[in-house]
Amino acid sequence: ETGVTQTPRHLVMGMTNKKSLKCEQHLGHNAMYWYKQSAKKPLELMFVYNFKEQTENNSVPSRFSPECPNSSHLFLHLHTLQPEDSALYLCASSSPEGSDEKLFFGSGTQLSVL
Amino acid sequence: GQNIDQPTEMTATEGAIVQINCTYQTSGFNGLFWYQQHAGEAPTFLSYNVLDGLEEKGRFSSFLSRSKGYSYLLLKELQMKDSASYLCAVREFRDDKIIFGKGTRLHILP
Repeated sequence: ETGVTQTPRHLVMGMTNKKSLKCEQHLGHNAMYWYKQSAKKPLELMFVYNFKEQTENNSVPSRFSPECPNSSHLFLHLHTLQPEDSALYLCASSSPEGSDEKLFFGSGTQLSVL
Repeated sequence: GQNIDQPTEMTATEGAIVQINCTYQTSGFNGLFWYQQHAGEAPTFLSYNVLDGLEEKGRFSSFLSRSKGYSYLLLKELQMKDSASYLCAVREFRDDKIIFGKGTRLHILP
């Protein structure tokens, strides 16, 4: 148990579907992140939220839409995705307290777009 | 820009020692992380280096040379459960973004 919970663990969707990924952290952190992990590629930072405010949008296509209603919850809304969007989507959180500010990751949502 | 290089795959024997290297180029350096990721699971934090030198934590040690843009993760007394991917990541000074390498998949043979 890492303290960061993601649902669903697996998701299969068609290109015309709309779905949402959910992330919840129980660590009292105030920064939350979405990363994309594709085969043979490094983890790619997508979005960063600090105190519910989006501070980073790493040139992500608009078919991915994040939402952060409070410091404990983060969503990624998906619509009209492409097959190349199939990947593992990882949520993470961190706290600025302490010098290392390490990331705590959830187990991810394995997304397949057909 | 930033670039992080680490070997794609390595193989070692149970009980042995293995060193996983990572070289990086960033516009501003503010710390280096190592994470372990088992297949289908979340990456978990192993170590953090911000100053030059060796940080030891049980069977795992991590080394950093900022002048050379180089780090390594040393795993001693290898166990089968150490079979995993090891991710090197660098935090940039300018915006605190953490950038990951592609990871090194380590196979442990009995």
